[in-house]
Amino acid sequence: DTEVTQTPKHLVMGMTNKKSLKCEQHMGHRAMYWYKQKAKKPPELMFVYSYEKLSINESVPSRFSPECPNSSLLNLHLHALQPEDSALYLCASSQVGYSGNTIYFGEGSWLTVV
Amino acid sequence: DQQVKQNSPSLSVQEGRISILNCDYTNSMFDYFLWYKKYPAEGPTFLISISSIKDKNEDGRFTVFLNKSAKHLSLHIVPSQPGDSAVYFCAASDWGSQGNLIFGKGTKLSVKP
Repeated sequence: DTEVTQTPKHLVMGMTNKKSLKCEQHMGHRAMYWYKQKAKKPPELMFVYSYEKLSINESVPSRFSPECPNSSLLNLHLHALQPEDSALYLCASSQVGYSGNTIYFGEGSWLTVV
Repeated sequence: DQQVKQNSPSLSVQEGRISILNCDYTNSMFDYFLWYKKYPAEGPTFLISISSIKDKNEDGRFTVFLNKSAKHLSLHIVPSQPGDSAVYFCAASDWGSQGNLIFGKGTKLSVKP
């Protein structure tokens, strides 16, 4: 069973809406991630937080805004999205440190932009 | 340029037999490799990993082999079970990266009863 919990599991939003995806982990991990996965493609990294600070932003458009309120929570705020942003959004966590740390994924939030 | 390649999009195996999933990589800086299993509509589930200082790691029915000189790793599942049917992703990271896993495109394994 995954110990990374994501809500909601499914979200349908219009292009003018503002919504948020939420993620929570209780493994004591201090690194948290957002990945995006389109159908029949591998996951692609969007953002990395280490010790609640944004450390990597993989050139993600500003309509995606991450937030890490504390060491257990990670949010992804969505605004003015496009239909091509429809995808599975995966939250993940790991110990902090360079390489060698296993990254554990949540079950994902399916986003459909209409 | 794809740094992690899974050249077989699909693999079909009979129940009880061995499943061998292959993965090649091009970046010699990669030092940690992971295999994930993914069912439709779910997130990837971690299966097994291997550090570049080892050439084999075993966990129950799953064994990962690493051949650094060939830049090749493989996942062996013995014996294969119908519940193993899923997409398997190979992923790699290098020293100095934080969480930037590079994934292969995945191999869909079908285990037939």
